[in-house]
Amino acid sequence: AQKVTQAQTEISVVEKEDVTLDCVYETRDTTYYLFWYKQPPSGELVFLIRRNSFDEQNEISGRYSWNFQKSTSSFNFTITASQVVDSAVYFCALSEATYPAGTASKLTFGTGTRLQVTL
Amino acid sequence: EAGVTQSPTHLIKTRGQQATLRCSPISGHTSVYWYQQALGLGLQFLLWYDEGEERNRGNFPPRFSGRQFPNYSSELNVNALELEDSALYLCASSLPRATDNEQFFGPGTRLTVL
Repeated sequence: AQKVTQAQTEISVVEKEDVTLDCVYETRDTTYYLFWYKQPPSGELVFLIRRNSFDEQNEISGRYSWNFQKSTSSFNFTITASQVVDSAVYFCALSEATYPAGTASKLTFGTGTRLQVTL
Repeated sequence: EAGVTQSPTHLIKTRGQQATLRCSPISGHTSVYWYQQALGLGLQFLLWYDEGEERNRGNFPPRFSGRQFPNYSSELNVNALELEDSALYLCASSLPRATDNEQFFGPGTRLTVL
């Protein structure tokens, strides 16, 4: 069975601080995909990044960066110089490649981390 | 290009009634997924439809059901509503046989059961 753990329920930072959101996953598959989504107060999930299990290269996109480490089954997300607009709930998710062979199916989400950025 | 759309935005029902939620995927997407986001429970996978067939089902009772139409839109039905069914129901769609399973989410339907 697959599982995603986001141990941080809520984080509060002051604007311009850096913040890291932790994500630890469990899966028996060798091929899987990891995602981060942002959920602003409006409720709609906004896709941030996707990583497949064979690509451990870290990625940077503007103020966002992701650290994928298979050795520790972690896929952490860092926001540099946080801004008030970053306030949202962030979800880490995992998808195993199942049906048909080579394609993926449902997403298993962590419980989310609520990030509050204040002035 | 239009994103995933869901209707209605809000739905208020009473215990024992039935609720019908609708989802239209992005054009060209054949897979539709339903998730429930109840307070304190996070996002839970409900159902997955692909090419008109139910491919997978989450750990929910049979009173949660749905279908996918020939145009790939989907309907989620919840029978015999209970108070704990109050939640945000999110629909997502993805490309056929998407190897990376990138799912695009709609704005959700907030169901309130009184």
